[in-house]
Amino acid sequence: DTEVTQTPKHLVMGMTNKKSLKCEQHMGHRAMYWYKQKAKKPPELMFVYSYEKLSINESVPSRFSPECPNSSLLNLHLHALQPEDSALYLCASSTRSRDPNQETQYFGPGTRLLVL
Amino acid sequence: SQQGEEDPQALSIQEGENATMNCSYKTSINNLQWYRQNSGRGLVHLILIRSNEREKHSGRLRVTLDTSKKSSSLLITASRAADTASYFCATETGGFKTIFGAGTRLFVKA
Repeated sequence: DTEVTQTPKHLVMGMTNKKSLKCEQHMGHRAMYWYKQKAKKPPELMFVYSYEKLSINESVPSRFSPECPNSSLLNLHLHALQPEDSALYLCASSTRSRDPNQETQYFGPGTRLLVL
Repeated sequence: SQQGEEDPQALSIQEGENATMNCSYKTSINNLQWYRQNSGRGLVHLILIRSNEREKHSGRLRVTLDTSKKSSSLLITASRAADTASYFCATETGGFKTIFGAGTRLFVKA
């Protein structure tokens, strides 16, 4: 199984709502990532979890709250978002081996988020 | 912050022609990777080239890396309509931090 799944596929939320994005992989990968991608732009790294611990936070606003409950699951909790947060949110995973040249990332299909 | 710049931003070619995309980056790297993204979907890994490699092939793909110029190129030979997608280079600079270039949008006309 080389698949990363993300739910939901689409999400519309108001600025006062609380919602969560979910990402799952069963490849035994120990690194998981959240990216944000605006239209016609490259993905921008938000968070990296390594062995279920947060290792990188790219100065993301606190209205985005990541969580890694176990090695297969990654959540992104959303609260009080702004319209400019509307984007495609991509999850990825990689093996987290000692050799960085083995770190190919496998991406999920993304959640398209619209904040009204 | 964006590490890589890619050119061209957009490329339109006929089926059967070759497509070349270039990527430049700013800092030292462990490796450089190329990914493809079909419209509004997840990214698919194409090829990884290590910092001590100069050229790598995978099927119809050829990647070169020039660390002295901090640049890489991706060549797709005998392109097909199914190759229509956005192509991104990505650099791994250490600590599992990956930075993507701006991307090239390739359109292959049948």
